[in-house]
Amino acid sequence: GQQVMQIPQYQHVQEGEDFTTYCNSSTTLSNIQWYKQRPGGHPVFLIQLVKSGEVKKQKRLTFQFGEAKKNSSLHITATQTTDVGTYFCAGRGGQNFVFGPGTRLSVLP
Amino acid sequence: NAGVTQTPKFQVLKTGQSMTLQCAQDMNHEYMSWYRQDPGMGLRLIHYSVGAGITDQGEVPNGYNVSRSTTEDFPLRLLSAAPSQTSVYFCASRATGGREQYFGPGTRLTVT
Repeated sequence: GQQVMQIPQYQHVQEGEDFTTYCNSSTTLSNIQWYKQRPGGHPVFLIQLVKSGEVKKQKRLTFQFGEAKKNSSLHITATQTTDVGTYFCAGRGGQNFVFGPGTRLSVLP
Repeated sequence: NAGVTQTPKFQVLKTGQSMTLQCAQDMNHEYMSWYRQDPGMGLRLIHYSVGAGITDQGEVPNGYNVSRSTTEDFPLRLLSAAPSQTSVYFCASRATGGREQYFGPGTRLTVT
């Protein structure tokens, strides 16, 4: 079945540093979503990418969908302590989404 | 709107006991789903429903049952709890054709 991988598993950064997490699927995706989960909380939708090569920005967050629609990335510029949490990608296979294992981000003040 | 609600927030069961995790949404969403979250494994789909009276299995359905008698409610039943079912369970809903899934606050289940 479809598998979605994410790297790194953990990332510790100093506040102000940049952060990137990468998502790779074993199959071509119709679209990909990103979610953020704060410690002790529930996943919250961030964005959906649909088109090959698509790039979207939300303030300090930049999301990219690969040309082959099998990989994606999330880049955070100048991290803040409010960015702490786990970032999940979710690739659509059929009518359901398959979630990656997530990247846990720690930001040291 | 309350969004997606789940009860209970925490539960401890003994091996072999059964219980039902409740999930309700007030957004009139057709699609609802149950996930379990284990450390390092992300969210894995247990069961899902595309509308009242329609349910289907996800990636890890064994040991769980669901039913969908109304649009609002989607309970998850553990038939005979096992320690391997210790996890955090999230219910989610999405509008048909909608983009984002809205997640409930989760139920933390421990089976001893």
